[in-house]
Amino acid sequence: NAGVMQNPRHLVRRRGQEARLRCSPMKGHSHVYWYRQLPEEGLKFMVYLQKENIIDESGMPKERFSAEFPKEGPSILRIQQVVRGDSAAYFCASSQDRSAYNSPLHFGNGTRLTVT
Amino acid sequence: DQQVKQNSPSLSVQEGRISILNCDYTNSMFDYFLWYKKYPAEGPTFLISISSIKDKNEDGRFTVFLNKSAKHLSLHIVPSQPGDSAVYFCAASADQTGANNLFFGTGTRLTVIP
Repeated sequence: NAGVMQNPRHLVRRRGQEARLRCSPMKGHSHVYWYRQLPEEGLKFMVYLQKENIIDESGMPKERFSAEFPKEGPSILRIQQVVRGDSAAYFCASSQDRSAYNSPLHFGNGTRLTVT
Repeated sequence: DQQVKQNSPSLSVQEGRISILNCDYTNSMFDYFLWYKKYPAEGPTFLISISSIKDKNEDGRFTVFLNKSAKHLSLHIVPSQPGDSAVYFCAASADQTGANNLFFGTGTRLTVIP
């Protein structure tokens, strides 16, 4: 399977728990992006990583959210002490090159997080 | 602040007819535009793109038109097929750097009626 793999597909957490979302980019892709989609809204950029480095985290809340893309293994988006407002679909995307125009993004199928 | 707007949340079209999806943007610095298609429970997939040096780009049944002076672009699908039923997102960027500088619209849900 050469696509972007995200897991889990669905995640239910109680308020205050931690959520860990995983993303394995397409083979050969070193640029990883995380997006959040709230109901009836578009995709909002959260964080851009390139192997072991955070390039841009300007779209990610400063508190409770963190992301990593280790040398080995998938990229992880971590949300600590989740609140109801964190309920959303989280999409990971990868690209071969940095340019979103020349090297369009490949998206995973998303993780739908529900906070109860 | 929504810099890319898709003012029609939904559109229904008869099979075989033309579908026209519209997108407006506010940032005059945007020069690169992309359309993505999204099926339920799947991630978006890239469809077609255009840069501001062109006013039209065609790929099979899909054509994107850009009117830079009006800050408007549209996606035409002709003829429309039931398999085209999906949510279509317009996205725009001011440069060819990373997708962290790519702004998405809120999407238009297209339903093609057989």
